[in-house]
Amino acid sequence: AQKITQTQPGMFVQEKEAVTLDCTYDTSDQSYGLFWYKQPSSGEMIFLIYQGSYDEQNATEGRYSLNFQKARKSANLVISASQLGDSAMYFCAMSPNAGGTSYGKLTFGQGTILTVHP
Amino acid sequence: DVKVTQSSRYLVKRTGEKVFLECVQDMDHENMFWYRQDPGLGLRLIYFSYDVKMKEKGDIPEGYSVSREKKERFSLILESASTNQTSMYLCASSSPGDSRTGELFFGEGSRLTVL
Repeated sequence: AQKITQTQPGMFVQEKEAVTLDCTYDTSDQSYGLFWYKQPSSGEMIFLIYQGSYDEQNATEGRYSLNFQKARKSANLVISASQLGDSAMYFCAMSPNAGGTSYGKLTFGQGTILTVHP
Repeated sequence: DVKVTQSSRYLVKRTGEKVFLECVQDMDHENMFWYRQDPGLGLRLIYFSYDVKMKEKGDIPEGYSVSREKKERFSLILESASTNQTSMYLCASSSPGDSRTGELFFGEGSRLTVL
C-alpha cells in the first residue's frame, strides 16, 4: 500500500520569499509518480507539478519545483517568490506507476495550508 | 477549456435519504473518479471507472455506489445517507492516452451535509 505524509498542517511565508512544503511517501513499488495539487478557498484542485520515480532531474514548472530525494522518499514542493495568490491548501499525492499510466488512482496526503503574508 | 462539472455545490440531506451526486466531463476522458475530502485526512478514493458500465472500488467504498451509463457522466449514489457521510465530494477525470503524467482534472466539489 502507498502512503503519503505531510507533517505541516500550516505554513506561513512572507510575500516574495521562498517556502518549502514537506512530503514524504512510502511504497514498495519501483515505478510511481508524485504530484502536487493546489486547492484555493474556492475548492477546485489545480495540478502544479509531477515527478516520475525514474526521472533523474527534479521537476520544475515556473515558480514551482519538486525536490525529489528518492533514497529519503521525500518529494518536497518549493515555491519561489511567493505571491498572495499562493495562499491555499497544498496536497502531495502519489500514483502507483509512473509515466502516464496511473489512471488517476492517487493517494493523497493530509494537506498543508499555506498563508502568504504581505 | 477542459471542464469537469459537478451538479450541486452544496446539498443538505436528512439521514436515510438517497442522495445522487452527478459529474459530467467534456474532455472525452476514459477514466472518472469520486474522491471524498475530510479535514486532516486529505482526499480518499471512493470509486473509479475506466470505461462505460465498469466500476471498481477505491479505498472507502462502503455506503456508496456508482453508475456510469455514458462516457461523460459518472454518478455517486448514497443509498441511505448517514451523518458520517457529511463531507466534500470531488469528481475527477483523466485519460492515460493523452497525458504523460496521468494528471487528474477535478470538478469544483460538492459539499454534502447530512442532518
